[in-house]
Amino acid sequence: GQNIDQPTEMTATEGAIVQINCTYQTSGFNGLFWYQQHAGEAPTFLSYNVLDGLEEKGRFSSFLSRSKGYSYLLLKELQMKDSASYLCAVRDPRGSASKIIFGSGTRLSIRP
Amino acid sequence: GAGVSQSPRYKVAKRGQDVALRCDPISGHVSLFWYQQALGQGPEFLTYFQNEAQLDKSGLPSDRFFAERPEGSVSTLKIQRTQQEDSAVYLCASSQGFGETQYFGPGTRLLVL
Repeated sequence: GQNIDQPTEMTATEGAIVQINCTYQTSGFNGLFWYQQHAGEAPTFLSYNVLDGLEEKGRFSSFLSRSKGYSYLLLKELQMKDSASYLCAVRDPRGSASKIIFGSGTRLSIRP
Repeated sequence: GAGVSQSPRYKVAKRGQDVALRCDPISGHVSLFWYQQALGQGPEFLTYFQNEAQLDKSGLPSDRFFAERPEGSVSTLKIQRTQQEDSAVYLCASSQGFGETQYFGPGTRLLVL
Protein backbone atom coordinates (compact mmCIF):
# COMPACT_ATOMS: atom_id res chain seq x y z
CA GLY A 1 0.00 0.00 0.00
CA GLN A 2 0.87 3.64 -0.07
CA ASN A 3 1.36 5.61 3.11
CA ILE A 4 2.93 9.01 3.71
CA ASP A 5 3.02 10.32 7.26
CA GLN A 6 3.77 13.82 8.45
CA PRO A 7 2.65 15.78 11.52
CA THR A 8 -0.67 17.52 11.17
CA GLU A 9 0.32 20.79 12.80
CA MET A 10 3.44 22.55 14.06
CA THR A 11 4.11 25.92 15.62
CA ALA A 12 7.37 27.85 15.59
CA THR A 13 8.68 31.30 16.40
CA GLU A 14 9.72 33.97 13.92
CA GLY A 15 13.48 33.85 13.35
CA ALA A 16 13.81 30.29 14.60
CA ILE A 17 14.41 26.97 12.80
CA VAL A 18 11.82 24.24 12.29
CA GLN A 19 12.12 20.70 10.93
CA ILE A 20 9.12 18.99 9.35
CA ASN A 21 9.49 15.21 9.14
CA CYS A 22 7.97 12.85 6.60
CA THR A 23 8.04 9.06 6.50
CA TYR A 24 6.78 7.02 3.60
CA GLN A 25 5.96 3.46 2.66
CA THR A 26 5.23 3.16 -1.05
CA SER A 27 5.35 0.32 -3.53
CA GLY A 28 7.75 2.24 -5.74
CA PHE A 29 9.98 5.23 -5.26
CA ASN A 30 11.46 7.63 -7.77
CA GLY A 31 11.96 10.82 -5.82
CA LEU A 32 10.41 12.90 -3.05
CA PHE A 33 8.98 16.40 -3.32
CA TRP A 34 8.18 19.12 -0.85
CA TYR A 35 5.52 21.66 -1.77
CA GLN A 36 4.35 24.75 0.11
CA GLN A 37 0.66 25.62 0.05
CA HIS A 38 -0.78 28.83 1.47
CA ALA A 39 -4.45 28.70 2.39
CA GLY A 40 -6.64 28.92 -0.69
CA GLU A 41 -3.70 28.84 -3.07
CA ALA A 42 -1.99 26.30 -5.30
CA PRO A 43 0.89 24.16 -4.03
CA THR A 44 4.23 25.64 -5.06
CA PHE A 45 7.34 23.53 -5.62
CA LEU A 46 10.07 23.76 -2.98
CA SER A 47 12.43 20.83 -3.45
CA TYR A 48 13.02 17.46 -5.04
CA ASN A 49 15.29 14.71 -3.66
CA VAL A 50 16.02 11.50 -5.51
CA LEU A 51 19.38 10.61 -3.92
CA ASP A 52 20.23 10.35 -0.24
CA GLY A 53 21.52 13.44 1.45
CA LEU A 54 20.83 17.08 2.03
CA GLU A 55 19.80 19.59 -0.64
CA GLU A 56 20.07 23.22 0.39
CA LYS A 57 18.24 26.06 -1.28
CA GLY A 58 18.42 29.35 0.55
CA ARG A 59 16.52 29.22 3.83
CA PHE A 60 15.04 25.83 2.95
CA SER A 61 16.84 22.47 3.00
CA SER A 62 15.49 19.00 2.33
CA PHE A 63 16.98 15.69 3.40
CA LEU A 64 16.31 12.17 2.15
CA SER A 65 17.18 8.69 3.43
CA ARG A 66 15.80 6.08 1.06
CA SER A 67 16.80 3.15 3.27
CA LYS A 68 14.77 4.60 6.14
CA GLY A 69 11.89 5.91 4.03
CA TYR A 70 12.44 9.27 5.67
CA SER A 71 12.73 12.89 4.67
CA TYR A 72 12.67 16.22 6.39
CA LEU A 73 12.24 19.83 5.36
CA LEU A 74 14.28 22.34 7.35
CA LEU A 75 13.25 25.98 7.39
CA LYS A 76 15.68 28.52 8.82
CA GLU A 77 15.24 32.16 9.84
CA LEU A 78 11.50 31.72 9.89
CA GLN A 79 9.37 34.56 8.60
CA MET A 80 5.66 35.17 9.15
CA LYS A 81 5.05 34.46 5.45
CA ASP A 82 6.28 30.89 6.02
CA SER A 83 2.96 30.16 7.73
CA ALA A 84 1.48 27.60 5.32
CA SER A 85 0.92 23.91 4.81
CA TYR A 86 3.93 21.86 3.73
CA LEU A 87 3.18 18.82 1.62
CA CYS A 88 5.48 15.82 1.36
CA ALA A 89 4.94 13.84 -1.85
CA VAL A 90 6.50 10.72 -3.34
CA ARG A 91 6.80 9.94 -7.03
CA ASP A 92 5.55 6.44 -7.78
CA PRO A 93 6.98 5.17 -11.06
CA ARG A 94 4.64 2.22 -11.37
CA GLY A 95 2.27 2.05 -14.27
CA SER A 96 2.13 4.42 -17.20
CA ALA A 97 2.07 7.65 -15.28
CA SER A 98 4.57 9.37 -13.08
CA LYS A 99 2.14 9.65 -10.21
CA ILE A 100 2.84 11.84 -7.24
CA ILE A 101 1.31 10.65 -3.98
CA PHE A 102 0.82 13.39 -1.42
CA GLY A 103 0.75 13.30 2.33
CA SER A 104 -1.97 15.20 4.16
CA GLY A 105 0.33 18.13 4.82
CA THR A 106 1.75 19.83 7.90
CA ARG A 107 0.14 23.12 8.82
CA LEU A 108 2.91 25.38 10.14
CA SER A 109 2.01 28.43 12.19
CA ILE A 110 4.63 31.10 12.88
CA ARG A 111 4.21 33.28 15.95
CA PRO A 112 5.97 36.63 16.43
CA GLY B 1 1.09 31.82 -20.35
CA ALA B 2 3.26 32.38 -17.32
CA GLY B 3 1.64 29.69 -15.24
CA VAL B 4 -1.15 27.17 -15.09
CA SER B 5 -4.57 28.79 -15.10
CA GLN B 6 -7.90 27.29 -14.16
CA SER B 7 -11.47 28.45 -14.52
CA PRO B 8 -13.80 29.03 -12.91
CA ARG B 9 -12.06 29.71 -9.60
CA TYR B 10 -15.27 29.01 -7.71
CA LYS B 11 -18.30 26.98 -8.70
CA VAL B 12 -21.49 26.36 -6.77
CA ALA B 13 -23.66 23.60 -8.19
CA LYS B 14 -26.93 22.05 -7.18
CA ARG B 15 -26.83 18.33 -6.57
CA GLY B 16 -27.45 16.55 -9.85
CA GLN B 17 -26.09 19.34 -12.00
CA ASP B 18 -23.25 18.76 -14.48
CA VAL B 19 -20.11 20.90 -14.19
CA ALA B 20 -17.06 21.48 -16.42
CA LEU B 21 -13.74 22.68 -15.06
CA ARG B 22 -11.08 24.06 -17.38
CA CYS B 23 -7.30 23.94 -17.16
CA ASP B 24 -4.81 25.87 -19.30
CA PRO B 25 -1.36 24.37 -18.73
CA ILE B 26 1.95 26.13 -19.14
CA SER B 27 2.63 26.51 -22.85
CA GLY B 28 4.61 23.60 -24.21
CA HIS B 29 4.08 21.33 -21.24
CA VAL B 30 3.44 17.81 -22.42
CA SER B 31 2.07 16.31 -19.23
CA LEU B 32 -1.11 17.38 -17.46
CA PHE B 33 -2.53 16.08 -14.20
CA TRP B 34 -5.80 16.54 -12.35
CA TYR B 35 -6.02 16.25 -8.56
CA GLN B 36 -8.82 16.48 -6.02
CA GLN B 37 -8.06 18.12 -2.68
CA ALA B 38 -10.43 17.84 0.25
CA LEU B 39 -10.22 20.33 3.10
CA GLY B 40 -7.20 19.66 5.29
CA GLN B 41 -5.87 16.92 3.03
CA GLY B 42 -3.20 16.64 0.39
CA PRO B 43 -4.09 16.49 -3.30
CA GLU B 44 -5.22 13.09 -4.56
CA PHE B 45 -4.42 11.98 -8.09
CA LEU B 46 -7.35 11.73 -10.50
CA THR B 47 -5.97 11.40 -14.02
CA TYR B 48 -2.97 12.08 -16.26
CA PHE B 49 -2.49 13.10 -19.90
CA GLN B 50 0.56 13.01 -22.07
CA ASN B 51 -0.29 15.33 -24.93
CA GLU B 52 -3.83 14.32 -25.91
CA ALA B 53 -3.55 10.76 -24.64
CA GLN B 54 -5.11 9.94 -21.29
CA LEU B 55 -2.57 7.46 -19.96
CA ASP B 56 -3.94 6.95 -16.47
CA LYS B 57 -7.44 7.53 -15.11
CA SER B 58 -7.20 5.20 -12.18
CA GLY B 59 -7.89 7.96 -9.65
CA LEU B 60 -11.26 9.02 -11.05
CA PRO B 61 -13.72 8.18 -8.25
CA SER B 62 -16.61 7.12 -10.45
CA ASP B 63 -17.85 7.04 -14.02
CA ARG B 64 -19.47 10.42 -13.38
CA PHE B 65 -15.99 11.92 -13.77
CA PHE B 66 -14.61 12.41 -17.24
CA ALA B 67 -11.55 14.30 -18.48
CA GLU B 68 -10.35 15.22 -21.92
CA ARG B 69 -7.51 17.06 -23.61
CA PRO B 70 -8.43 16.81 -27.29
CA GLU B 71 -5.64 18.95 -28.76
CA GLY B 72 -2.96 18.24 -26.21
CA SER B 73 -3.19 21.63 -24.53
CA VAL B 74 -6.31 22.78 -22.67
CA SER B 75 -8.02 20.13 -20.58
CA THR B 76 -11.53 19.87 -19.20
CA LEU B 77 -12.65 17.85 -16.20
CA LYS B 78 -16.37 17.13 -16.33
CA ILE B 79 -18.42 15.88 -13.43
CA GLN B 80 -21.90 14.62 -14.22
CA ARG B 81 -24.80 14.50 -11.77
CA THR B 82 -22.74 16.13 -9.02
CA GLN B 83 -23.06 14.83 -5.48
CA GLN B 84 -22.26 16.58 -2.21
CA GLU B 85 -19.18 14.42 -1.73
CA ASP B 86 -17.76 15.94 -4.93
CA SER B 87 -17.25 19.23 -3.06
CA ALA B 88 -13.51 19.85 -3.05
CA VAL B 89 -10.79 21.88 -4.72
CA TYR B 90 -9.84 20.51 -8.12
CA LEU B 91 -6.22 21.21 -8.98
CA CYS B 92 -4.58 20.96 -12.36
CA ALA B 93 -0.82 20.61 -12.77
CA SER B 94 1.45 20.47 -15.79
CA SER B 95 5.02 19.42 -16.38
CA GLN B 96 7.43 19.78 -19.23
CA GLY B 97 7.78 16.09 -19.75
CA PHE B 98 7.29 12.73 -18.22
CA GLY B 99 8.74 12.69 -14.73
CA GLU B 100 9.47 16.41 -14.49
CA THR B 101 8.42 18.69 -11.65
CA GLN B 102 4.72 19.50 -11.69
CA TYR B 103 3.49 23.10 -11.50
CA PHE B 104 0.02 23.67 -10.11
CA GLY B 105 -2.79 26.00 -11.05
CA PRO B 106 -4.81 27.90 -8.44
CA GLY B 107 -7.58 25.33 -8.45
CA THR B 108 -11.34 25.39 -8.81
CA ARG B 109 -13.25 25.30 -5.54
CA LEU B 110 -16.43 23.29 -6.16
CA LEU B 111 -19.30 23.37 -3.70
CA VAL B 112 -22.24 21.07 -4.33
CA LEU B 113 -25.38 21.95 -2.41
